[in-house]
Amino acid sequence: KNEVEQSPQNLTAQEGEFITINCSYSVGISALHWLQQHPGGGIVSLFMLSSGKKKHGRLIATINIQEKHSSLHITASHPRDSAVYICAVLVEKLVFGQGTRLTINP
Amino acid sequence: EAGVVQSPRYKIIEKKQPVAFWCNPISGHNTLYWYRQNLGQGPELLIRYENEEAVDDSQLPKDRFSAERLKGVDSTLKIQPAELGDSAVYLCASSMRTGPYGYTFGSGTRLTVV
Repeated sequence: KNEVEQSPQNLTAQEGEFITINCSYSVGISALHWLQQHPGGGIVSLFMLSSGKKKHGRLIATINIQEKHSSLHITASHPRDSAVYICAVLVEKLVFGQGTRLTINP
Repeated sequence: EAGVVQSPRYKIIEKKQPVAFWCNPISGHNTLYWYRQNLGQGPELLIRYENEEAVDDSQLPKDRFSAERLKGVDSTLKIQPAELGDSAVYLCASSMRTGPYGYTFGSGTRLTVV
């Protein structure tokens, strides 16, 4: 069983929809990262969380340490949000989920 | 700020040939990471440096992979000889230090071994 599980693995939605990507983990962590990876391969760090909630523009990330669960939300989604979103937890090192491939259709 | 700079962006080589990747981290970031990402999977750590010291290289296939970080700044990752299964994206990342600090990733090098 992977230490980090993301759902869904693939998500297709229409422009404007509210998007939620979930991440569950099974180990004690010191931080959780949400990352965005575009087809070219480069990774952009979106958020680092150790508790509560963070917001940046249309992106919101929440974490519940007791339930070992985090969510990434995208409001008013846009085709440029299409990417792979990766959850990674910091134990002794970063442990990555397999990613959620998001496609936003115009 | 330029961010984490990696080169080359793409590399195609024949099997058994050597290949090297270069990474310039964020200025002031003491910790540098090399990851390998296979298609459809999350990145896997190959090696972590604290300044010039490799503090975690347990996942580095040492028979064919080597890395160095001279002067605790730039780093190179080398594969010799490359095998077909080495085809992947090689990502470099840096952070201020190990721990709950922000990571900055490079654009990656996409290696294709034919």
